[in-house]
Amino acid sequence: EIVLTQSPATLSLSPGDAATLSCRASQSVYNYIAWYQQKPGQAPRLLIYDASKRATGIPDRFSGSGSGTDFSLTISSLEPEDFAVYYCQQRTDWPPLFGPGTKVENK
Amino acid sequence: QVQLQESGPGLVQPSETLSLTCTVSNGSMNNYYWNWIRQPPGKGLEWIGYVFYSGGTNYNPSLKSRVSISGDTSKNQISLNLSSVTAADTAVYYCVREDLMVATGWFDSWGPGILVTVSS
Repeated sequence: EIVLTQSPATLSLSPGDAATLSCRASQSVYNYIAWYQQKPGQAPRLLIYDASKRATGIPDRFSGSGSGTDFSLTISSLEPEDFAVYYCQQRTDWPPLFGPGTKVENK
Repeated sequence: QVQLQESGPGLVQPSETLSLTCTVSNGSMNNYYWNWIRQPPGKGLEWIGYVFYSGGTNYNPSLKSRVSISGDTSKNQISLNLSSVTAADTAVYYCVREDLMVATGWFDSWGPGILVTVSS
């Protein structure tokens, strides 16, 4: 079973800062990685799929990169609404699996 | 835009069966996979399984012996049954559509979720 590791666990930043979140897979998932954003009390929302494609309606300050085992989600300039937990997910291996999440908190 | 809404009991007795329904509105069930994903309080996301609109199913091996998912296209509803529940099954349960049109294979639409607590 492929294991996903996300780092850091918590990222303390201020509005306007750039954020870089990491997701590492225990073996290659090719480009089959997605990123989701979850705010308190809400369902997750798809941000990025196939490692680098933005989902419908997602602002272009969100970007994804990587392939194989190492992936990144970058938020170019944090808006107040971007403070949330971010999960990566793979669908190369069965069953689909999510990473443990990175919390982006307002410093 | 498709909308999903979970419904069912918020409290289930240990050893009983958890039963939830998801109603799909502003869209059709046809040509999509319909998933259930759960999240224990303060923890991460776990995929439970899916039903294809035509009836095929697949489940997480860790839950396969206890879970059943079905769909009714005439009612635009998806059902989840999880038997022999314990406190470890306490979670928010999400109904989720798997896109096959644009973001193929990814979870693009989520219901708001329903908290189910297993307790006597």
